[in-house]
Amino acid sequence: NAGVMQNPRHLVRRRGQEARLRCSPMKGHSHVYWYRQLPEEGLKFMVYLQKENIIDESGMPKERFSAEFPKEGPSILRIQQVVRGDSAAYFCASSMVEGGVYNEQFFGPGTRLTVL
Amino acid sequence: GQSLEQPSEVTAVEGAIVQINCTYQTSGFYGLSWYQQHDGGAPTFLSYNALDGLEETGRFSSFLSRSDSYGYLLLQELQMKDSASYFCAVRGGTGFQKLVFGTGTRLLVSP
Repeated sequence: NAGVMQNPRHLVRRRGQEARLRCSPMKGHSHVYWYRQLPEEGLKFMVYLQKENIIDESGMPKERFSAEFPKEGPSILRIQQVVRGDSAAYFCASSMVEGGVYNEQFFGPGTRLTVL
Repeated sequence: GQSLEQPSEVTAVEGAIVQINCTYQTSGFYGLSWYQQHDGGAPTFLSYNALDGLEETGRFSSFLSRSDSYGYLLLQELQMKDSASYFCAVRGGTGFQKLVFGTGTRLLVSP
């Protein structure tokens, strides 16, 4: 049973380019979360999605960042016109959610974005 | 909103017991979770407390006191491989599914 998959594991972009980060949740999980971790800091929530639906995007910067989780295929976190401050590790997590009962979030290995 | 405080660093020797504390402020409480993260790695789930008291899972135990807005992670029989960062987290947001993490405690285990 494969865990949460993220690709690429490392991504280098120049300022002004676009970054696309992909996340495939664990089998049977229909809920995806994206978190960002700056060096030497904790994880900060960005967005929570279900298939074809954004549930909570309270942690997403208002500009340049977007996320989707289509009916088919992985969840995508897209960062347009990247700046050096976007350099961070981006982690995806997935979970089942049943009747509001808490279910553990399983994290992927992360994508480490470096903006030159 | 939510906020969580943890000590930034704790040091201990192999075989010892260490306690990592976490105090939190949150509007609405839906449990306290603990995650471990090795350098360059992904966070991995350790434990979850929804009710007061102690939860034990092997060498690791987690405690919660909701009246004190306080919890701790207890690691026993420390091993070198336990050197990592440990994060406490509370749930929040729409549907109370998002995790709000503390700043993390770096545990250094020496021989």
